[in-house]
Amino acid sequence: RKEVEQDPGPFNVPEGATVAFNCTYSNSASQSFFWYRQDCRKEPKLLMSVYSSGNEDGRFTAQLNRASQYISLLIRDSKLSDSATYLCVVNISGNNRLAFGKGNQVVVIP
Amino acid sequence: NAGVTQTPKFRVLKTGQSMTLLCAQDMNHEYMYWYRQDPGMGLRLIHYSVGEGTTAKGEVPDGYNVSRLKKQNFLLGLESAAPSQTSVYFCASSYGQVGGAGNIQYFGAGTRLSVL
Repeated sequence: RKEVEQDPGPFNVPEGATVAFNCTYSNSASQSFFWYRQDCRKEPKLLMSVYSSGNEDGRFTAQLNRASQYISLLIRDSKLSDSATYLCVVNISGNNRLAFGKGNQVVVIP
Repeated sequence: NAGVTQTPKFRVLKTGQSMTLLCAQDMNHEYMYWYRQDPGMGLRLIHYSVGEGTTAKGEVPDGYNVSRLKKQNFLLGLESAAPSQTSVYFCASSYGQVGGAGNIQYFGAGTRLSVL
């Protein structure tokens, strides 16, 4: 099983709609979870950390489900500027590194 | 505030040539990383450093060497470039270690390398 798995999409979303996607991880001992955003031909940038209790930042909501080993990201009221690839990132416990998923590509359509 | 700066931004090499990619950060971060990103794959860690004078291997270290002589700089070297090393290379830095507090990684803009 891959360390981090994401459905690459693309997810074509009408402007103003809600989109959600999950990411599964294989290492049950992982402690840190993040969503990064990567625009085309740019570097990844932190979107938000994911906490056990779930957290919200404006239109973005992240959830963690340890029992099923997945994290989720929900984007409400999608804007054209939300078009990007969203990378799921998980620390590999016992190993000083992060594992990156391939990303969920989101395309917001006018 | 420059953050993480990578040079060069683009480079074309012939097979067998060597080159060094430079990463500089001005955030006084202890930890620095080199990743490569290929189409259809997530970022993969090549080498990393937990402090000045230290380096360690990541997932895909073969064909690369690194040095961290100064805290703010992390160099990635290709001694004999191969077409399989055609990729986008990202440098990142963080204040703390992975899994601990302050472990958010900040990335440079990337270096696009083509090996012919």
